[in-house]
Amino acid sequence: DAGITQSPRHKVTETGTPVTLRCHQTENHRYMYWYRQDPGHGLRLIHYSYGVKDTDKGEVSDGYSVSRSKTEDFLLTLESATSSQTSVYFCAISESKFGLADEQYFGPGTRLTVT
Amino acid sequence: GESVGLHLPTLSVQEGDNSIINCAYSNSASDYFIWYKQESGKGPQFIIDIRSNMDKRQGQRVTVLLNKTVKHLSLQIAATQPGDSAVYFCAENIDGNKLVFGAGTILRVKS
Repeated sequence: DAGITQSPRHKVTETGTPVTLRCHQTENHRYMYWYRQDPGHGLRLIHYSYGVKDTDKGEVSDGYSVSRSKTEDFLLTLESATSSQTSVYFCAISESKFGLADEQYFGPGTRLTVT
Repeated sequence: GESVGLHLPTLSVQEGDNSIINCAYSNSASDYFIWYKQESGKGPQFIIDIRSNMDKRQGQRVTVLLNKTVKHLSLQIAATQPGDSAVYFCAENIDGNKLVFGAGTILRVKS
């Protein structure tokens, strides 16, 4: 998985609790992304980062926040988890040489269940 | 390659035959396209990409064709093998370095 790890790999939590998912890369790539995957919806972008402390919203950012204090780590936080946030979450990284769009490499995923 | 609700389109092929998976993309300004393969329980795996200044690109056993006139992308897999069974996603780059993914196509290879 191109030097990308995600933790935890599985989590069950209760509605209303905060949850933080971690993505760690060893590739020193500039761009990092968080996606969620739900049946029939492919992958949808939640937030992404284009450098340390530089982040922006994606298509489905409501209810999520992110932080990137180091090149290698990108955190996704659900401030107050809801059942609609039950999903599989994937982190991806991209080098984006010369500012051009580039292939994204994905981590193994985190399965989150909100009860 | 279009999806309807929760039911992904499925392509069933015989082992050894060629497979063609299609994708219609949304934005005529998209300049970069990728095909991914996803096996059950795993993250998407990069297969091949193509930029908008090309109409064909070949890899090992795979070819991607891009038709910008009708906004259509296809993935051809030669001599399909059981290990090719997976869900295949196309993705387009519409803005900066953000990808938009299709809902996917299931490829089933019959032995």
